[in-house]
Amino acid sequence: EPEVTQTPSHQVTQMGQEVILRCVPISNHLYFYWYRQILGQKVEFLVSFYNNEISEKSEIFDDQFSVERPDGSNFTLKIRSTKLEDSAMYFCASSTGTVNTEAFFGQGTRLTVV
Amino acid sequence: GENVEQHPSTLSVQEGDSAVIKCTYSDSASNYFPWYKQELGKGPQLIIDIRSNVGEKKDQRIAVTLNKTAKHFSLHITETQPEDSAVYFCAASNYGGSQGNLIFGKGTKLSVKP
Repeated sequence: EPEVTQTPSHQVTQMGQEVILRCVPISNHLYFYWYRQILGQKVEFLVSFYNNEISEKSEIFDDQFSVERPDGSNFTLKIRSTKLEDSAMYFCASSTGTVNTEAFFGQGTRLTVV
Repeated sequence: GENVEQHPSTLSVQEGDSAVIKCTYSDSASNYFPWYKQELGKGPQLIIDIRSNVGEKKDQRIAVTLNKTAKHFSLHITETQPEDSAVYFCAASNYGGSQGNLIFGKGTKLSVKP
């Protein structure tokens, strides 16, 4: 069964450093998403990406965040200067984008900012 | 923007009993309501979804009901089993295109005691 894969599974970084979280969406999917989940809290939408551009973003997705699809398979989330409050589980998801399809989530990357 | 409230935050049932989780949403434009199950250390996995043109949907032991007038939807799990123990999230989508721009509830931790 096709799945969304994320790397690394856990990343520890120092405050102020840049991090890049990587995702390989399901191959025939056209929409890509990043979500985050602070420990013990709900899953929060960050950004959606379609046709090589951001289609929607939340208030959380400020200038410190960026997304990129550098090639035909990877989808990345970059945080330029990490803050302690960026510590969370980050989930990538993808969907075909047609009306009757679901969003498939990856296993997540746990980001710890120290 | 959309706001999704979910209750209860924790739910403990005996194996074989039914479990009901309820969610309300605020944006009448929302038209897609999925339910996700999240097991420890894993990403959310879709278990059932419902669209605004349907009032009820059932898949084996799982059912979802939607009341558009009252803006609430519920997950019903019958004949619960220990493997149903997980965190369950409801979500709503108010975007006409992709249905991955999801607004999640805070989650319900379901414990099924053998």
